[in-house]
Amino acid sequence: SQTIHQWPATLVQPVGSPLSLECTVEGTSNPNLYWYRQAAGRGLQLLFYSIGIDQISSEVPQNLSASRPQDRQFILSSKKLLLSDSGFYLCAWSVWLGETQYFGPGTRLLVL
Amino acid sequence: DQQVKQNSPSLSVQEGRISILNCDYTNSMFDYFLWYKKYPAEGPTFLISISSIKDKNEDGRFTVFLNKSAKHLSLHIVPSQPGDSAVYFCAASNRAGNMLTFGGGTRLMVKP
Repeated sequence: SQTIHQWPATLVQPVGSPLSLECTVEGTSNPNLYWYRQAAGRGLQLLFYSIGIDQISSEVPQNLSASRPQDRQFILSSKKLLLSDSGFYLCAWSVWLGETQYFGPGTRLLVL
Repeated sequence: DQQVKQNSPSLSVQEGRISILNCDYTNSMFDYFLWYKKYPAEGPTFLISISSIKDKNEDGRFTVFLNKSAKHLSLHIVPSQPGDSAVYFCAASNRAGNMLTFGGGTRLMVKP
């Protein structure tokens, strides 16, 4: 069966510091991968998606970036965090773009 | 442009009664619809889906209804249980290659 992992589970970072969140999927090959953010009390905002290694599409302009160095690894990064980057970050995977997505446990990021 | 809308931000229901969560969409090309359930500080969990060739899909206490002419879908939970208290997201896609588009979520509170 497939599983998706995210770490860390919780992160507190000062403004201006770098960020690296990691997501890995097991039990499937060539998944579509996604990064979402949920701000407090808000819906799910798609940040990036990837259909393959080194193939990243950005959905919203911001100071975040994503990379996919391996088939089942998806990384969300920032060089300098802003207060507005605080939120709950979710990684997800799917077999096909228009099909069911399966989410990881999420990372809670607090930027102070 | 919100293509998928959940107009009720919250819903309160008594335990044992029926919970009805609603979702409207504007894109007539959508042909696949899903519901997710999300607890605080966790990733969304896939609940149930329906293809546009059907108007009803049932899985235990959960039933999804699709009204294509009205571009409306609903999730019925019966009987509702306190453990059903969560945020519910509807999502839709065009399986030909478009990704899921999520609604803003409805917080369901089931009172004992």
